[in-house]
Amino acid sequence: DVKVTQSSRYLVKRTGEKVFLECVQDMDHENMFWYRQDPGLGLRLIYFSYDVKMKEKGDIPEGYSVSREKKERFSLILESASTNQTSMYLCASSIPAGTDPYEQYFGPGTRLTVT
Amino acid sequence: AQTVTQSQPEMSVQEAETVTLSCTYDTSESDYYLFWYKQPPSRQMILVIRQEAYKQQNATENRFSVNFQKAAKSFSLKISDSQLGDAAMYFCAYYNTNAGKSTFGDGTTLTVKP
Repeated sequence: DVKVTQSSRYLVKRTGEKVFLECVQDMDHENMFWYRQDPGLGLRLIYFSYDVKMKEKGDIPEGYSVSREKKERFSLILESASTNQTSMYLCASSIPAGTDPYEQYFGPGTRLTVT
Repeated sequence: AQTVTQSQPEMSVQEAETVTLSCTYDTSESDYYLFWYKQPPSRQMILVIRQEAYKQQNATENRFSVNFQKAAKSFSLKISDSQLGDAAMYFCAYYNTNAGKSTFGDGTTLTVKP
C-alpha cells in the first residue's frame, strides 16, 4: 500500500516563527502536493511538484514556500507564520500526469495552530 | 479555471438506506477525470470511486456508484445500504489531465443514523 506520512499531527507555533511541515511518500511517486483544508472551503492547493527540485504554485501560494530535494520528500515552509495560516495541512502524492490512474494518496494531515 | 461545487454541506441518512451526494463542475476541457474521496473523522482521505470523462458508463464500486452526466457537468455519488462506517466528509474532485492537478469541492459531511 502507498504510504504518505507527515511529520506532525498537531503543531502549535507562535506568530513570526518559521515553520517546516514535512511529507514523505514511499511509493516512488513523481508528483507531490500541499493543500490546506478549512471548513467550508474544501481543499485548496498551495504548491505542487512534478519532480525533484521542481515546484509549481497552486491557488494560494502567498506566505508559503516549498522544497523538494529528494523524490520522496516534499516540505512546506511558512517563512513567518501568521494567525491566518492556522489550518489543517494535507500532503498528497500521485504518479505523473499522463499516466493512469491519476488518483492522489493523502497523508494524515497536520493541524497547525499559530498563536 | 475549473470549479467544483458541492451544494450540500451536510447530509444525513438512515442506516441501510440510500443517499445521493451531488457535485457539479465547470470546465472547458474534454479530457478529465472525476473522483469522490472520503475523509473519515480524524483519518486519512481515501479514494472512493473515479470516473473517466471519456467513458459513458457510470463507475461502480460495491455499494458506491456515480451518476455521470457529462453534458450537464454533473457527477453525483450514490451510497446504497448505508453503513455507520460511511459517516465522513466526502469531497468531489476534478482532475485536469493537462495541468496535472485537481480541484476539490467544499465537501459534504455525511451522517449515518443507526
